[in-house]
Amino acid sequence: AQTVTQSQPEMSVQEAETVTLSCTYDTSESDYYLFWYKQPPSRQMILVIRQEAYKQQNATENRFSVNFQKAAKSFSLKISDSQLGDAAMYFCASSMYNNNDMRFGAGTRLTVKP
Amino acid sequence: KAGVTQTPRYLIKTRGQQVTLSCSPISGHRSVSWYQQTPGQGLQFLFEYFSETQRNKGNFPGRFSGRQFSNSRSEMNVSTLELGDSALYLCASSVRDAGYNEQFFGPGTRLTVL
Repeated sequence: AQTVTQSQPEMSVQEAETVTLSCTYDTSESDYYLFWYKQPPSRQMILVIRQEAYKQQNATENRFSVNFQKAAKSFSLKISDSQLGDAAMYFCASSMYNNNDMRFGAGTRLTVKP
Repeated sequence: KAGVTQTPRYLIKTRGQQVTLSCSPISGHRSVSWYQQTPGQGLQFLFEYFSETQRNKGNFPGRFSGRQFSNSRSEMNVSTLELGDSALYLCASSVRDAGYNEQFFGPGTRLTVL
């Protein structure tokens, strides 16, 4: 079984500053994927970044990067140079290899202050 | 390419009725997964259909069912609606090759049960 935990219901950041969203997970699988999804008020879920568990290197997508600590089962998202458009709900998720059953955390609502 | 489309976007039903939601995947995608999103339970996996066959199923009662057509379009049906079925229903499509498959989400159908 997989479980994903996000312990920060809400976070806020000043525009242009950096913020880190936390996520821990639990799985007995050796092959799995981790994701961060963004859900703005429009409700459309958008993939922000993904990490394959077998890769030691942390994934990076422009201003978004992750800190993947496999032994600690931790997967945090860092947003640099925050922009107003980053305001949204952020969900951490996991799935097993070759399996589309994604398990989501409860989400973190990010507010960006101008 | 057109994105994932879901119809209708909004639905209001009364307890005891049944409802059918539709999802059209991105062209070329053969897998469609369904998720239920509620404030209390968060995002939960309902089921996945691939090549007209249910491939995975989440922990939902038999009132929730689905099917997939030869053109990969999928429908989800909920019978004997309960108040607790009020939710945002999201579908996601993917190519479904081995290993990692990015899931692309639709805008969702907001179901309200009165």
